[in-house]
Amino acid sequence: QVQLQESGPGLVKPSETLSLTCTVSGGSVSRGSYYWSWIRQPPGKGLEWIGYIYYSGSTNYNPSLKSRVTISVDTSKNQFSLIVSSVTAADTAVYYCARVTMTAWYPDYFDYWGQGTLVTVSS
Amino acid sequence: QSVLTQPPSASGTPGQRVTISCSGSSSNIGSNTVNWYQQLPGTAPKLLIYSNNQRPSGVPDRFSGSKSGSSASLAISGLQSEDEADYSCATFDDTLNAWVFGGGTKLTVL
Repeated sequence: QVQLQESGPGLVKPSETLSLTCTVSGGSVSRGSYYWSWIRQPPGKGLEWIGYIYYSGSTNYNPSLKSRVTISVDTSKNQFSLIVSSVTAADTAVYYCARVTMTAWYPDYFDYWGQGTLVTVSS
Repeated sequence: QSVLTQPPSASGTPGQRVTISCSGSSSNIGSNTVNWYQQLPGTAPKLLIYSNNQRPSGVPDRFSGSKSGSSASLAISGLQSEDEADYSCATFDDTLNAWVFGGGTKLTVL
């Protein structure tokens, strides 16, 4: 059974950098059938896709966040990470990491999710 | 304002059949498959339906999905109290080049 677990600071100051890591167990980030994604949910609001990465390092980001987001993968640790720069209160959200299963070599659905971690942006 | 439009709330009594709609456009639902997620209070989303109408292993057949044109629907039959949750649709938008989600529908079992 694949499990994902987010980790990182729960409080970040405005204008600083948010950094989270997702540790994968029960499966390998190096397996070519999957992408690895970050998704967030502001309090009381809907889900927002941030971006995803393939084990090769290939990425795709939400254009609305692209200028501030970096996703990277560390296959030796079976982890992938998220960096969001220049954060504001609007970046306050529960951040989820998730596995993306491909169909016909196309990212198709988010099938395994971490439990989520709340990140609050406040001074 | 979400790209995919869902009703904010829905309700039903135990045993009833409830339908939740998800409306999009030709660049998202009209071009790609739709997934549905169930989010119980305080928990992470769980994949409920993928590829418009496929159920992952372990999801009861009371849950079904369909798609027509630029709209999709989730149907829940034989409603149970444990179905009380938020339900969100999702797909890829070719114009935005991004995955998009509906705003979510809060289902209440009366």
